[in-house]
Amino acid sequence: DTEVTQTPKHLVMGMTNKKSLKCEQHMGHRAMYWYKQKAKKPPELMFVYSYEKLSINESVPSRFSPECPNSSLLNLHLHALQPEDSALYLCASASSDLYEKLFFGSGTQLSVL
Amino acid sequence: EDQVTQSPEALRLQEGESSSLNCSYTVSGLRGLFWYRQDPGKGPEFLFTLYSAGEEKEKERLKATLTKKESFLHITAPKPEDSATYLCAGGGFGNEKLTFGTGTRLTIIP
Repeated sequence: DTEVTQTPKHLVMGMTNKKSLKCEQHMGHRAMYWYKQKAKKPPELMFVYSYEKLSINESVPSRFSPECPNSSLLNLHLHALQPEDSALYLCASASSDLYEKLFFGSGTQLSVL
Repeated sequence: EDQVTQSPEALRLQEGESSSLNCSYTVSGLRGLFWYRQDPGKGPEFLFTLYSAGEEKEKERLKATLTKKESFLHITAPKPEDSATYLCAGGGFGNEKLTFGTGTRLTIIP
């Protein structure tokens, strides 16, 4: 299984809602990532988890809260988002030896109204 | 600060018309230069990793090459299914973070 699975595929939420994005991989990878991508722009790194510990937070606003319950799962909790947070949210994973060979999920297209 | 710049921003080719995409990079302690393909609304798909100048890798109609300052993605006799955005990214030693370029949107016209 070489897939990274993200749910939901699409999400529409209001600015007062709380929602969560989920990501799962069963490749035994020890590094997991959240990226944000706006249309026609490259992916922007948000968070990196390495061996289930948060190793990088790219100064992301606290309305985004990551969680890594175990080595296969990664969540992104969303609260009080702004319309400018609308984007494609991508999860990726990599083995501990090859951080650069990222396997990406198909993403969650998020719209904040 | 690491930088990766891709050109052209967009490229339209006739089916069968070969061309090259450019990626210029300034990455401290480069450990690898990576190419990804991204279809609309999907996550990037890994294509190649290049580790040292002079290295070349091929996959079907694609060939990636690396010099000390640039990487090229050559596409030979492209087909419409090769239409996508091609992203280049650089990673430095001791840094878990990849620096992505803005991509080249490639359109192959039948």
